[in-house]
Amino acid sequence: EIVLTQSPGTLSLSPGDRATLSCRASQSVNNDYLAWLQQKPGQAPRLLIYDTSRRATGVPDRFSGSGSGADFTLTISRLEHEDFAVYYCQQYGTSLYTFGQGTRLEI
Amino acid sequence: EVQLVQSGAEVKKSGESLKISCKGSGYRFTTYWIAWVRQMPGKGLEWMGIVYPDDSETRYNPSFQGQVTISADKSIATAYLHWDSLKASDTAIYYCARLNGDPFFDFWGQGTLVTVSS
Repeated sequence: EIVLTQSPGTLSLSPGDRATLSCRASQSVNNDYLAWLQQKPGQAPRLLIYDTSRRATGVPDRFSGSGSGADFTLTISRLEHEDFAVYYCQQYGTSLYTFGQGTRLEI
Repeated sequence: EVQLVQSGAEVKKSGESLKISCKGSGYRFTTYWIAWVRQMPGKGLEWMGIVYPDDSETRYNPSFQGQVTISADKSIATAYLHWDSLKASDTAIYYCARLNGDPFFDFWGQGTLVTVSS
């Protein structure tokens, strides 16, 4: 099983700031099959990024993903109020899909 | 518009059985895997298993194998998650999600809260 470790656990920033969230895998993720999801309180997760760097439909271009192998990053270039949420990375490079423990982005 | 609509919240007692559902619309239901994901109170996401509605093939996370049964009825575009005997530790929100492409989880249901009292 690939274990995904996200850091930091909590990130405190202000609107307009740049956010950088990290996801490290316990082994290389096949084909860089890594996604990022956003979850707001009381809501279902929402897909933001797939295949490491492809934005899902309707996702603003202030969200970007990068990385390869076992190290991945989600960057939010200029935070807006609606971006404060929990973010999960998820790998689907193996048939045993796994999620990171989440990073809480707070104001 | 792709939609996954899940059944409503459930309150059960330990030892009872339960089946929750996830109805797909806005796309060809039979040709996309459906996944179930657990989120325990205040915790992260755990993948439980997947089902392919066209032939009901299933694959389970070993951590959930034997604990739940995943199935689908393609005639009504609905996937299911079933427990024979609930435990208090099954208390959680359960999400269904559609697998797309490589595959990643592109659309999610709204979640079903299951509360099990001992």
